Amino acid sequence: GENVEQHPSTLSVQEGDSAVIKCTYSDSASNYFPWYKQELGKGPQLIIDIRSNVGEKKDQRIAVTLNKTAKHFSLHITETQPEDSAVYFCAARPGGSYIPTFGRGTSLIVHP
Amino acid sequence: SAVISQKPSRDICQRGTSLTIQCQVDSQVTMMFWYRQQPGQSLTLIATANQGSEATYESGFVIDKFPISRPNLTFSTLTVSNMSPEDSSIYLCSVALGGEAFFGQGTRLTVV
Repeated sequence: GENVEQHPSTLSVQEGDSAVIKCTYSDSASNYFPWYKQELGKGPQLIIDIRSNVGEKKDQRIAVTLNKTAKHFSLHITETQPEDSAVYFCAARPGGSYIPTFGRGTSLIVHP
Repeated sequence: SAVISQKPSRDICQRGTSLTIQCQVDSQVTMMFWYRQQPGQSLTLIATANQGSEATYESGFVIDKFPISRPNLTFSTLTVSNMSPEDSSIYLCSVALGGEAFFGQGTRLTVV
């Protein structure tokens, strides 16, 4: 089955800095890569996703890149703000499946 | 998108008792899932709740411990039976809609 590795487990940045979270996956059949943000006491919320037919996707301050050859994808957050503080999960899902495999999460702390 | 209401949001239970968690979705969905999120850990799929048939359990999870009901396309319950402190966790309901996964806010269970 799919295996998703996520790094780092904790990331501490100053407000205004950029944050990068990296994930690798093992199953070459995976073609959908969502990212979730989980705030304290809440369920994960989808913030951005990318499919295997594109290499990069951007939505305001967040962007995701995908390298299918190397089987890795990354989340980039620019101009971080304290409200970006949360746990972020990457996931990978094979085509034809409804069930993603999640990484272990990254706790992002943005210091004012 | 989908709005998912999960009840209760938290509970503290005595060991040996059972707790039933409810999940209500604001639209009809074919695929509903139950996840467990242990402290500081990623999301682990417990089972897929199938409407009109028995749930499909992942390795390591059994129906006697985690019975699931799915009486219609908008509702499901997960029961955590004969609880022990090791069952202390966040339990999350999820649905697949439009190729994306949406999550409830979770039920934080503490077993004492």
